[in-house]
Amino acid sequence: DAGVIQSPRHEVTEMGQEVTLRCKPISGHNSLFWYRQTMMRGLELLIYFNNNVPIDDSGMPEDRFSAKMPNASFSTLKIQPSEPRDSAVYFCASSSLRLADTQYFGPGTRLTVL
Amino acid sequence: AQKVTQAQTEISVVEKEDVTLDCVYETRDTTYYLFWYKQPPSGELVFLIRRNSFDEQNEISGRYSWNFQKSTSSFNFTITASQVVDSAVYFCALSEAGGGADGLTFGKGTHLIIQP
Repeated sequence: DAGVIQSPRHEVTEMGQEVTLRCKPISGHNSLFWYRQTMMRGLELLIYFNNNVPIDDSGMPEDRFSAKMPNASFSTLKIQPSEPRDSAVYFCASSSLRLADTQYFGPGTRLTVL
Repeated sequence: AQKVTQAQTEISVVEKEDVTLDCVYETRDTTYYLFWYKQPPSGELVFLIRRNSFDEQNEISGRYSWNFQKSTSSFNFTITASQVVDSAVYFCALSEAGGGADGLTFGKGTHLIIQP
């Protein structure tokens, strides 16, 4: 079975540009999570969805960040406008809604904002 | 608020040595779930184990074993007879509602270096 798919794997952009990261969860999973990993802050939860509905976006750093999940098989994380401090690895993870179910992570998108 | 502490930033051992990675957590909930993930140099996050707060039984999987002690709020991970392929960053994580319904709180990770 295919795991969580993320695209692109690497993104280099200039400050001020819009960036869109994409995620396809594991088929049948109904929870989806976006995390960011930096050297300074480690792994931190940005937002998560249950059954395509955003449940907690308290980790989204500011209004420049937005996330959507239009259907069960696709989610996007958008940064507009991007800034150099947004440079990080962004991970998407999915799981079922069953208690204690495991989150499986995608390979991540390494974002560099110049 | 929940918190996970991995006090060991980096550990370096020689191959075939045993090594233990420490994890201490804080939570006010009586029901919670603990996880370990491995991040090899390639960068992906690989699930290793999950444990719920009602199950304090230790677990062994090959060379890996986990010791969960609620009395000390610890969930330590031991690798026996370490190998170079075990070199990675290991993360301990906590979820108060179960990984399937809530996000994970991660520790800062322990960078494990296994020298040949």
